[in-house]
Amino acid sequence: DTEVTQTPKHLVMGMTNKKSLKCEQHMGHRAMYWYKQKAKKPPELMFVYSYEKLSINESVPSRFSPECPNSSLLNLHLHALQPEDSALYLCASSPQRGGQVVYGYTFGSGTRLTVV
Amino acid sequence: GNSVTQMEGPVTLSEEAFLTINCTYTATGYPSLFWYVQYPGEGLQLLLKATKADDKGSNKGFEATYRKETTSFHLEKGSVQVSDSAVYFCALQAGTALIFGKGTTLSVSS
Repeated sequence: DTEVTQTPKHLVMGMTNKKSLKCEQHMGHRAMYWYKQKAKKPPELMFVYSYEKLSINESVPSRFSPECPNSSLLNLHLHALQPEDSALYLCASSPQRGGQVVYGYTFGSGTRLTVV
Repeated sequence: GNSVTQMEGPVTLSEEAFLTINCTYTATGYPSLFWYVQYPGEGLQLLLKATKADDKGSNKGFEATYRKETTSFHLEKGSVQVSDSAVYFCALQAGTALIFGKGTTLSVSS
């Protein structure tokens, strides 16, 4: 299995809703990432998990809450989002060696989120 | 700091034309370099990579050579197809972070 699987593929939510995005990989990768991508822009790093511990939080608002329950799963909990949070949310994973990421990331297909 | 600069698009070509998308980088140390491709409505796919100077990455007819002296990693393809229409991102990896260029949109017509 060489894939990163993200669910759901599409999500529409209201500003008062609570929802979660899910990401799963079975490649044994110990680093997992959340990125946000707006239309016609490059992906922007949100969070990095290394060995199931949060290692980087790029000053993301608290309405986004990541969780890494085990080495294969990564969740992104959403609460009280704003319309400007509408974007493609991408999950990625990569192998690590000696604490350093090796050879790039494998990306999922993303969840296209619309906040109404 | 680390950064990636790639040529602004869109790039519009006819089928079977030669493609070059320029990418230069600024980095401390010796980062690994990548090209990712994003087809409409999809996530990013790794197209090719190079991990040290003078390495050439290649895949699906695309090539890029890691040039330390010019800090460049230009993407080339000898004959593009309509199916190559996508957004191409150059990226460097230094430590944990993957840093992307702004992306170049390629449109190929038949």
